[in-house]
Amino acid sequence: DSGVTQTPKHLITATGQRVTLRCSPRSGDLSVYWYQQSLDQGLQFLIQYYNGEERAKGNILERFSAQQFPDLHSELNLSSLELGDSALYFCASSVFDRATGNTIYFGEGSWLTVV
Amino acid sequence: GQQLNQSPQSMFIQEGEDVSMNCTSSSIFNTWLWYKQDPGEGPVLLIALYKAGELTSNGRLTAQFGITRKDSFLNISASIPSDVGIYFCATGAQKLVFGQGTRLTINP
Repeated sequence: DSGVTQTPKHLITATGQRVTLRCSPRSGDLSVYWYQQSLDQGLQFLIQYYNGEERAKGNILERFSAQQFPDLHSELNLSSLELGDSALYFCASSVFDRATGNTIYFGEGSWLTVV
Repeated sequence: GQQLNQSPQSMFIQEGEDVSMNCTSSSIFNTWLWYKQDPGEGPVLLIALYKAGELTSNGRLTAQFGITRKDSFLNISASIPSDVGIYFCATGAQKLVFGQGTRLTINP
């Protein structure tokens, strides 16, 4: 158990709909990351938040947005869903160490299937 | 953007064999991480390397941070069935970049 909690674990929705994925980071971790993994694909970085503020942005579509709340949990919002958005969405968290940098720990992922 | 070249993409081995995979980058990094992902689950951190030349072991796994800081390798000795999965290297500062993964299949 990494300590990173994601909900829901599985989600099936129709094209055009909107969903929200939720993540609770490890206790004490200020950074939250979102990654997308399509079938047989690598991990694509979407976005990072640090203590409530956006820190880095990857290949995140305009239809997607995220935020980190004061209690440090994060939500990833996916709207106008398309079939190609079906994927595993991972949340990860880390605490920055000046000596070692960022070592991130992943949740178990949210399976999104768009039909 | 930053890209990591991880090889091989897949490996088919016999139980008991040793495994070696590596990751290279065109940029210098201060951290190299190795993760393993089982089907339908999140990647799990295996080994973290923070210093050029560092050699670190975790049971039957050994990883090294290349002296040039542009590469790393992971070795698995005496493979067993539960080693099956996808192994990812990762590095980066603000955002962690992942290699494309090495899919390990073991024939009993």
